[in-house]
Amino acid sequence: AQSVTQLDSQVPVFEEAPVELRCNYSSSVSVYLFWYVQYPNQGLQLLLKYLSGSTLVKGINGFEAEFNKSQTSFHLRKPSVHISDTAEYFCAVIVNQAGTALIFGKGTTLSVSS
Amino acid sequence: NAGVTQTPKFRILKIGQSMTLQCTQDMNHNYMYWYRQDPGMGLKLIYYSVGAGITDKGEVPNGYNVSRSTTEDFPLRLELAAPSQTSVYFCASSYYQGNTEAFFGQGTRLTVV
Repeated sequence: AQSVTQLDSQVPVFEEAPVELRCNYSSSVSVYLFWYVQYPNQGLQLLLKYLSGSTLVKGINGFEAEFNKSQTSFHLRKPSVHISDTAEYFCAVIVNQAGTALIFGKGTTLSVSS
Repeated sequence: NAGVTQTPKFRILKIGQSMTLQCTQDMNHNYMYWYRQDPGMGLKLIYYSVGAGITDKGEVPNGYNVSRSTTEDFPLRLELAAPSQTSVYFCASSYYQGNTEAFFGQGTRLTVV
């Protein structure tokens, strides 16, 4: 069975600092990988996705993620965060041949302060 | 486009009451999903549907029922509400599974007292 582990439940950072949110997945078959963001009292919004091809994926709001097959990781990065990036971030996976729904990690709360 | 619309946004239920959470999408998506979100637990799949008339259980289906009579609507029914069903419920839809983006509603915050 597939599973997603987000290694940090909370990440506090100062504005303009770089940030990395870590995600590992377990699957014996190929998967598609996603990062979603949830701002307070809102639904989830897609940040970026990896389907195939280049292992470095760029998303909205200056975020990027790198797929590492050997380490089964899909870490999310941003070189300089803003206060407005404060939100909860979810890593998700779906089996690319037979999966029917996203499997989510438990989420990482990113808190950006000035 | 409205996207995915959920109603109500908030609801308080007494133990043993029943209710239906409404979800409708206007993107002509085949796939629809119901998730529940509990603090620190991420999102858990309750039920999903791959098209009108077809539904299947997800990871946590107990205490819930769904129907999909049209492409647009995917209501979630709670029978005999219990405190363990206190949660935030999200409906989502996608054109296809796998490599397409899932669009989420704004959520329904349900409290069972």
